[in-house]
Amino acid sequence: QSVLTQPPSASGTPGHRVTISCSGSSSNIGSYTVNWYHQLPGTAPKLLIYGNNQRPSGVPDRFSGSKSGTSASLAISGLQSEDEADYYCAAWDDSLSGPVFGGGTKLTVL
Amino acid sequence: QVQLQESGPGLVKPSETLSLTCTVSGGSISSYYWSWIRQPAGKGLEWIGRIYISGSTKHNPSLKSRITMSVDRSKNQFSLNLSSVTAADTAVYYCARDFWGSTHYGLDVWGQGTTVTVSS
Repeated sequence: QSVLTQPPSASGTPGHRVTISCSGSSSNIGSYTVNWYHQLPGTAPKLLIYGNNQRPSGVPDRFSGSKSGTSASLAISGLQSEDEADYYCAAWDDSLSGPVFGGGTKLTVL
Repeated sequence: QVQLQESGPGLVKPSETLSLTCTVSGGSISSYYWSWIRQPAGKGLEWIGRIYISGSTKHNPSLKSRITMSVDRSKNQFSLNLSSVTAADTAVYYCARDFWGSTHYGLDVWGQGTTVTVSS
């Protein structure tokens, strides 16, 4: 059982926009910024969004993040086939004094 | 460009100790926190713990007192020991670098991961 809650799956068609939600509590998302990772099968997670809405160098601006209260969202616009991956949200947690993760959302590009 | 590489046995017997090392290349191990994360097959990510160059550590309470972490500045390596393992500890284990700014911004560099199976 993951601390942060994500839908297990999401889908979209090429060129369209998809959003993935992430819900937490006051001890994590409510107090700290949200980070997002994507993970291709058999590979390590890669930081996609940090600080709620900042993109590391090299991440296309098709990816954007937002946060409100104890929830956050990742939006992917101009969906491409290579976006098909697992996406995880994460945030610092007071109880853990470390990062907690969502259970992951498998994105399918139809 | 900083790269991380995990190493260690792929198979550990139940009740024994899992030992992994992460080698940092392309940069110094100093001035950063370094974390261990694991992922059971088909499941999500779990933060195990972190260590600083000073040797200061913090671990996930769910793993109780089974964790020991250490750092070797001379080899640019840090290590994880997880004792009394069971089948529930079977997972891909990753080492990663903590990204800090005004707050924790996640884990910005990851190793490729190493699969550890607990079985007799």
